[in-house]
Amino acid sequence: KNEVEQSPQNLTAQEGEFITINCSYSVGISALHWLQQHPGGGIVSLFMLSSGKKKHGRLIATINIQEKHSSLHITASHPRDSAVYICAVLYYGGSQGNLIFGKGTKLSVKP
Amino acid sequence: DSGVTQTPKHLITATGQRVTLRCSPRSGDLSVYWYQQSLDQGLQFLIQYYNGEERAKGNILERFSAQQFPDLHSELNLSSLELGDSALYFCASSLLTSITGTQYFGPGTRLTVL
Repeated sequence: KNEVEQSPQNLTAQEGEFITINCSYSVGISALHWLQQHPGGGIVSLFMLSSGKKKHGRLIATINIQEKHSSLHITASHPRDSAVYICAVLYYGGSQGNLIFGKGTKLSVKP
Repeated sequence: DSGVTQTPKHLITATGQRVTLRCSPRSGDLSVYWYQQSLDQGLQFLIQYYNGEERAKGNILERFSAQQFPDLHSELNLSSLELGDSALYFCASSLLTSITGTQYFGPGTRLTVL
């Protein structure tokens, strides 16, 4: 079983729809990272969360540490949101940190 | 443009060879991270350096090594290359020492091992 599970793997939406991408993890973590990878391959860091909720523009990320679950929401989706969204969890083993990545959710937003 | 540069963009080499990938962080950033992205494994964290010192270590193979120089650029050395090392290698930089800080990713180096 993967330590970080994302769902769905693929998501197709119509422009304007509200989108939710989920990330569940099995290890005790210090923080969770949401990344966006564009079709050309470039990666952008969206959020780093250790508790609660963060908002940036049309993007909202939430985390529930007790339930070991995080969600990324996109409101009023747009074709330019089409990308792969990846969550990564940060945990500390010994004195060093380590990041474990999910496999990503591929989002396609149709006009 | 994140401000992080990586060279070369593409690299094609043969099994058994050794290559060096280079990363220049954003101006002012002291931490550099290396990641590998392959089709079957997805993204994997390799290693982090902060101001010249190794700070965190992930799934980095013994055949791979990295260092960060006094001018803060970093190099990832891959030796005894195997077909399975073919991947995109990203570096990222951040201001803080903590791996929880916002990271800025470079465009990646695509390595093909034939």
